[in-house]
Amino acid sequence: KQEVTQIPAALSVPEGENLVLNCSFTDSAIYNLQWFRQDPGKGLTSLLLIQSSQREQTSGRLNASLDKSSGRSTLYIAASQPGDSATYLCAVEGSTLGRLYFGRGTQLTVWP
Amino acid sequence: DAGVIQSPRHEVTEMGQEVTLRCKPISGHDYLFWYRQTMMRGLELLIYFNNNVPIDDSGMPEDRFSAKMPNASFSTLKIQPSEPRDSAVYFCASSLYSSYNSPLHFGNGTRLTVT
Repeated sequence: KQEVTQIPAALSVPEGENLVLNCSFTDSAIYNLQWFRQDPGKGLTSLLLIQSSQREQTSGRLNASLDKSSGRSTLYIAASQPGDSATYLCAVEGSTLGRLYFGRGTQLTVWP
Repeated sequence: DAGVIQSPRHEVTEMGQEVTLRCKPISGHDYLFWYRQTMMRGLELLIYFNNNVPIDDSGMPEDRFSAKMPNASFSTLKIQPSEPRDSAVYFCASSLYSSYNSPLHFGNGTRLTVT
């Protein structure tokens, strides 16, 4: 069974810092990897989707990379802002189409 | 687009009662997913549908749980009878085709408390 691990579980940084969130998965046979953001009391919002044939995706200050062979992905957030405070989850779609496996998330706090 | 709409937002019920959660996916999306989120287990996929047909219900914890999708714009998740360990946030999500190329869109969830 696919297992997804996110490190660190929590991160607190001052505004303006560049930061990296890590995600690892045990089975490299994936269709894609997605990064989500979850605000308290809300559902998940998809940030970036990287197909298995891609190496990275960028959206604004966010950049996600994928190294399928090593089972790793990173989410890079440039020039962090207090509004970036949220829980960030990664999920992989494995060999069964439609079934996503989620990590437990990294809770990010950006203080002014 | 209004996004994925779930109701109710909060549900408090007593053990043994029937609970019905509702979901309206994004129009045109042909995949619908039900997830459950708890502190202990994180996000778990319960069941998903493609074109209103259940594809994988292996995540449904027990026979007390059932899900239906009578048409493309409506789905229900029913728990009967409910138990305290069912307390969680239940999310509905939808996507176009499969999430292979399409991101997953989540509703805001239903927070269920069973006393």
